Amino acid sequence: AQSVSQHNHHVILSEAASLELGCNYSYGGTVNLFWYVQYPGQHLQLLLKYFSGDPLVKGIKGFEAEFIKSKFSFNLRKPSVQWSDTAEYFCAVKGSQGNLIFGKGTKLSVKP
Amino acid sequence: GAGVSQSPSNKVTEKGKDVELRCDPISGHTALYWYRQSLGQGLEFLIYFQGNSAPDKSGLPSDRFSAERTGGSVSTLTIQRTQQEDSAVYLCASSLGTGMDQETQYFGPGTRLLVL
Repeated sequence: AQSVSQHNHHVILSEAASLELGCNYSYGGTVNLFWYVQYPGQHLQLLLKYFSGDPLVKGIKGFEAEFIKSKFSFNLRKPSVQWSDTAEYFCAVKGSQGNLIFGKGTKLSVKP
Repeated sequence: GAGVSQSPSNKVTEKGKDVELRCDPISGHTALYWYRQSLGQGLEFLIYFQGNSAPDKSGLPSDRFSAERTGGSVSTLTIQRTQQEDSAVYLCASSLGTGMDQETQYFGPGTRLLVL
């Protein structure tokens, strides 16, 4: 069965620091990958997605992710975080029914 | 409304009671998904509808859980004889379909269920 691992449970950064959140998936075939964000008190929102093509995917709010097939990874990055990026971030892979299989999530706290 | 809506937003019930949770997807979205978000288990997939049919119900945690969708729109998730371990946030998502450009799932705000 497919699975997703997110390495960091809680990341604390100061504003303007660079961010990289790890994500690894288990399936070796064609994958569709997603990053979702959940701001405090809000519902899940899509940050970016990868289906095919350029492995460097750009999303909203300055986020990007790189699909590295050889490493089964899809890490999320942002060069300079802001306090408003404080949220929980979920990596997901598309499952056999079109459902999303999520990682456990990474909480990001950005100190002003 | 522009987004996925869910009701109620919060539900407190006693162990053993039945509860019904409702999801109203984005208009025109044919695919509808139910997930559960809990502290111990993270985000779990429960069931998927394409139109009114649910091809696979194996994600439902037990036979106390059932779901239906009528008219290709509103869906209800029913939990019978609730248990304390059913306490979680139940999320609904919808998408245009299952083709590559149609697969983005849009999530509702969830129903927070607490079983006492």
